[in-house]
Amino acid sequence: QKEVEQDPGPLSVPEGAIVSLNCTYSNSAFQYFMWYRQYSRKGPELLMYTYSSGNKEDGRFTAQVDKSSKYISLFIRDSQPSDSATYLCAMSGVSSGYALNFGKGTSLLVTP
Amino acid sequence: DAGVTQSPTHLIKTRGQHVTLRCSPISGHKSVSWYQQVLGQGPQFIFQYYEKEERGRGNFPDRFSARQFPNYSSELNVNALLLGDSALYLCASSLGGAGNQPQHFGDGTRLSIL
Repeated sequence: QKEVEQDPGPLSVPEGAIVSLNCTYSNSAFQYFMWYRQYSRKGPELLMYTYSSGNKEDGRFTAQVDKSSKYISLFIRDSQPSDSATYLCAMSGVSSGYALNFGKGTSLLVTP
Repeated sequence: DAGVTQSPTHLIKTRGQHVTLRCSPISGHKSVSWYQQVLGQGPQFIFQYYEKEERGRGNFPDRFSARQFPNYSSELNVNALLLGDSALYLCASSLGGAGNQPQHFGDGTRLSIL
């Protein structure tokens, strides 16, 4: 079993929809949780960065962390065609030497 | 401000050759990490360097090595290339080596092995 599980999709939604992306993990020592967006032939771009459990909002993006369930989510409101990309969850902690452990990524397509 | 820059952007090599990939971190960042991303997968951790010292190593063979220079730039070296080394190699930088510093990625070097 991989430490971080993420459904690869693809996920297709109409423009304006609310998108929900999720990851589960097995290592309870993870403390830092991130979401990255990766466009084709580009490097991952940091979207959200959270520490421990709770919610964090930034514009149209909301990140949620539930450490008791080992479950993290990213919500995208009013999705736009420009949001079409692969979304990677990542997490780290002392046990991993703060190296990032990534999910496989979820491919998202927002159609006009 | 310039982000993380990597060179070259693309590289084609044959089996058995060696390769050197280069990374310049964001100005002021002292930690550099290297990741390998195979098509359809998330990035896999290879190395982390902080203040020119190796702070972590992932599950990669000894054919992979790296170093960090006094100006905090870094090189990743891979010897005796195998077909399976074909991947996107990503460099990420952060202010420090601890987890409370987010890592920012460059656009990577796409390595193809023939």
